Amino acid sequence: DAGVTQSPTHLIKTRGQHVTLRCSPISGHKSVSWYQQVLGQGPQFIFQYYEKEERGRGNFPDRFSARQFPNYSSELNVNALLLGDSALYLCASSLHERSSYNSPLHFGNGTRLTVT
Amino acid sequence: AQSVTQLGSHVSVSEGALVLLRCNYSSSVPPYLFWYVQYPNQGLQLLLKYTSAATLVKGINGFEAEFKKSETSFHLTKPSAHMSDAAEYFCAVSDPNFGNEKLTFGTGTRLTIIP
Repeated sequence: DAGVTQSPTHLIKTRGQHVTLRCSPISGHKSVSWYQQVLGQGPQFIFQYYEKEERGRGNFPDRFSARQFPNYSSELNVNALLLGDSALYLCASSLHERSSYNSPLHFGNGTRLTVT
Repeated sequence: AQSVTQLGSHVSVSEGALVLLRCNYSSSVPPYLFWYVQYPNQGLQLLLKYTSAATLVKGINGFEAEFKKSETSFHLTKPSAHMSDAAEYFCAVSDPNFGNEKLTFGTGTRLTIIP
């Protein structure tokens, strides 16, 4: 089975631009979570989507938004890019809205965004 | 709010030596704790998880971790390091209101194996 797939793998954008990152969860997984990993730090929770609805949001500005489609794939959008948005953006999927320890997160390899 | 602190951003051990990566947690409720490994240019892979069933947790690749409530610690160990263990390791705690979807990660420990 394919794991969590993210596209593109690398992206370079200019300050002020907009970016869209894409994620396809593992087949059968209905929950998608997004994390931002700045160089040298641990991942930080941005969003969780389940059944196309936002179920959780981390401490990120409104420039960050996301959505989930009927096939459970997801997009993360970032507007008005800042240099500080440069990071590895990780997508993770799981079976349920609130997974137990028996249903851990499965992470993709991420999209590395560089803002110049 | 839950948090984890990883002591030592870089750890170097010789091949065949004991690996010890430290993690302390802060949580207002009994936590679920995790160790993830990240290889270069890859996502995170779950090594092991503590869910209150047993204080000593065995994971993949020979790693294990012991939950010590009195010390609020969840240190990761491996008896004998292998070159393939070189990676970044993250300790994480879950939000009890969110399940495992919302994890709070530590800042990571980069493990280097010396031949």
